[in-house]
Amino acid sequence: EDQVTQSPEALRLQEGESSSLNCSYTVSGLRGLFWYRQDPGKGPEFLFTLYSAGEEKEKERLKATLTKKESFLHITAPKPEDSATYLCARKGQGNLIFGKGTKLSVKP
Amino acid sequence: EPEVTQTPSHQVTQMGQEVILRCVPISNHLYFYWYRQILGQKVEFLVSFYNNEISEKSEIFDDQFSVERPDGSNFTLKIRSTKLEDSAMYFCASSEVGTGGRETQYFGPGTRLLVL
Repeated sequence: EDQVTQSPEALRLQEGESSSLNCSYTVSGLRGLFWYRQDPGKGPEFLFTLYSAGEEKEKERLKATLTKKESFLHITAPKPEDSATYLCARKGQGNLIFGKGTKLSVKP
Repeated sequence: EPEVTQTPSHQVTQMGQEVILRCVPISNHLYFYWYRQILGQKVEFLVSFYNNEISEKSEIFDDQFSVERPDGSNFTLKIRSTKLEDSAMYFCASSEVGTGGRETQYFGPGTRLLVL
């Protein structure tokens, strides 16, 4: 069965405390790994796409990396405005298959 | 910056009633999608649409659901006879035609549907 598993389910950080979110997938021949940010009551906001093992993408305090089995979203020196749910998804035939997300809370 | 828009933002309906959710995809995009997210659960794919026909659908997308592109800008999801379990946030997404399937889906803000 197609699986996208994210961990941890929830993460509480102090402002400035760097950490990583994990996304693992169980499919060979990955066709794309996507990271989105979702604020409460809002739609997913696109962050990154990764296609090949070893690929890395960066945007401000966020950096996404990809291996053959998992992806990491590294958050460096987070700020309270980084608080959100971070969703990982892999591409199916044309659709996206999402994980349950990691809810990140950053306290000042 | 171009964005996907959806109307209404909230919809309350009685069980058994028909609802139509509307979306305006990003103007140069050719692939359109509907997803839903039941409260507290993950985002689930419903249907994808390209070249005026359904290209893929999930098990959730049964005969009660239909999609349409009635004109050059709108993309709609119709639920013919709503059930309590249809209560969810419905997201529209669109993507351009990418090279080698490398297209990114951009999501709208969602319509929160509540079936009573």
